[in-house]
Amino acid sequence: QKEVEQNSGPLSVPEGAIASLNCTYSDRGSQSFFWYRQYSGKSPELIMSIYSNGDKEDGRFTAQLNKASQYVSLLIRDSQPSDSATYLCAVNLYSSASKIIFGSGTRLSIRP
Amino acid sequence: EAGVTQFPSHSVIEKGQTVTLRCDPISGHDNLYWYRRVMGKEIKFLLHFVKESKQDESGMPNNRFLAERTGGTYSTLKVQPAELEDSGVYFCASSQGRDLYNSPLHFGNGTRLTVT
Repeated sequence: QKEVEQNSGPLSVPEGAIASLNCTYSDRGSQSFFWYRQYSGKSPELIMSIYSNGDKEDGRFTAQLNKASQYVSLLIRDSQPSDSATYLCAVNLYSSASKIIFGSGTRLSIRP
Repeated sequence: EAGVTQFPSHSVIEKGQTVTLRCDPISGHDNLYWYRRVMGKEIKFLLHFVKESKQDESGMPNNRFLAERTGGTYSTLKVQPAELEDSGVYFCASSQGRDLYNSPLHFGNGTRLTVT
């Protein structure tokens, strides 16, 4: 079982709709959780981080964490073509606080 | 503030040759990390420096890989001799502190290594 699992996609969402990206993780002791956005050929860019159960909102982005079910999700409201990218879920393992483990990413495509 | 910079952006070498990748972290960032992504796989941790010391090198695949950070500033990652399976994108990242929630990682654009 992979430590961090994501559906590879592609996930196609119409412009203006809500894009929902999901991620599950295997280590119950995981402390903090991150969503990175990566455009093709570019570096991963942190867009959201969360460590408490519940929702955390930042502009059009909402991260949701459920530690009991070991999943974390990212919602993107009012999706724009510029949101088309690969979204990487990452987890900070309790056993090694200075290291984060990435999922393989979900490719999101926003269609006009 | 300059970001994390990596050199070269691309490198194509033959199997058996040596390649050295360089990373300049953000000024003042004591923590420097190397990650790599091979084709179709997730980004995987290689190692972590705190200043010039290797804090965690559990992700280094084998002894053909050597990372250094003399003086605690820039870092190099040498692959010698390179094998076909070493092809991928090598990312460097830096952070000011070790708590990655409060001191997030900043990534460079990566070095795309192709071994033929």
